[in-house]
Amino acid sequence: GAVVSQHPSWVICKSGTSVKIECRSLDFQATTMFWYRQFPKQSLMLMATSNEGSKATYEQGVEKDKFLINHASLTLSTLTVTSAHPEDSSFYICSARVKDQPQHFGDGTRLSIL
Amino acid sequence: QKEVEQNSGPLSVPEGAIASLNCTYSDRGSQSFFWYRQYSGKSPELIMFIYSNGDKEDGRFTAQLNKASQYVSLLIRDSQPSDSATYLCAVRSFGNEKLTFGTGTRLTIIP
Repeated sequence: GAVVSQHPSWVICKSGTSVKIECRSLDFQATTMFWYRQFPKQSLMLMATSNEGSKATYEQGVEKDKFLINHASLTLSTLTVTSAHPEDSSFYICSARVKDQPQHFGDGTRLSIL
Repeated sequence: QKEVEQNSGPLSVPEGAIASLNCTYSDRGSQSFFWYRQYSGKSPELIMFIYSNGDKEDGRFTAQLNKASQYVSLLIRDSQPSDSATYLCAVRSFGNEKLTFGTGTRLTIIP
């Protein structure tokens, strides 16, 4: 149980492209989804928290106009990196949880901007 | 500032021995405690969670929580090479949806 699916697994694209990453909870309805970014040899950095049907809450220093989060249903959240540049290259990971339960992570998306 | 601290390692343990991973936290309002395992290049995977003082066992894994000392640990018995990974300690405070992560301890099991 508690399976979180993330797609795509990896993306390579040109600078200036917008990239959408999907996160789905497959066998449960997630009350909250989270988006993290992880640079090599560093710990997870929380980017934003989102609840179904409401605007995402972004962490300090994360540009909400650059990292667009949509949480359209209890099983789907998307992160769009708009006008991506090489410095946005990173490992993006989503997680989901039902109230009072642990967070479960997706497999992550490795984003490389050329 | 709420902090979660872990020794970054690397911690080297012989195969078959007990690996002991430690974590301290600063927020006395912390209520939920989690251990995640992360293999290189992969996303974190939930190993254990504990909410009450004492020990919680699941197979080869035991989580130990001491709220008075603000200390949580993970024991891995009969360590296997496949246990080699980075172990992340995470803490959630009452009323807070977010997790605060430690920087992780890199564990290497030596065959």
